[in-house]
Amino acid sequence: GQNIDQPTEMTATEGAIVQINCTYQTSGFNGLFWYQQHAGEAPTFLSYNVLDGLEEKGRFSSFLSRSKGYSYLLLKELQMKDSASYLCAVADSNYQLIWGAGTKLIIKP
Amino acid sequence: DTAVSQTPKYLVTQMGNDKSIKCEQNLGHDTMYWYKQDSKKFLKIMFSYNNKELIINETVPNRFSPKSPDKAHLNLHINSLELGDSAVYFCASSPETDPSTDTQYFGPGTRLTVL
Repeated sequence: GQNIDQPTEMTATEGAIVQINCTYQTSGFNGLFWYQQHAGEAPTFLSYNVLDGLEEKGRFSSFLSRSKGYSYLLLKELQMKDSASYLCAVADSNYQLIWGAGTKLIIKP
Repeated sequence: DTAVSQTPKYLVTQMGNDKSIKCEQNLGHDTMYWYKQDSKKFLKIMFSYNNKELIINETVPNRFSPKSPDKAHLNLHINSLELGDSAVYFCASSPETDPSTDTQYFGPGTRLTVL
């Protein structure tokens, strides 16, 4: 079957760095997405990786290893507004998105 | 200025009723989607339309029927509502059919509660 695994919840301190991991097993691979979702709001796009390596966008970076079925989202200089759920999603061989359950990130002062 | 809009934002109704959720996008995108987000926060695709034609129809009960009057609108009709239909429903759109290369823009969501 198809499976996306992420930790359910993480806690970090304002100003620190946090890494949210995602492992996947899917029928085919056509890219991996990270979305941010604040409570009660729609998910918003953060990043897309299809090749191995690190993609950096400001305070957020996303890494992909296709051979390991693994990705992580790295958030630097954490701010209180980064408290949200972070969703990992993989496009399978049919280009359909398989979503993880999301990681709830709690930022403490 | 709203890119993807949904109405209503909240919908509370009784079991057995029929209801509709409307979605409109003003981005000029060709593809629109309906997702269901359950209590465990899983986002599951239900339907995908490209230029008013159905291209993805996941295994959902036939009580759910999408209707696309034009490529800017994709409405979701639900007949004979059941308790298990309670969830948040998200509409989304993207420029192309291939979700692996195009960012999907999500609407604000409609929280449906069936009593």
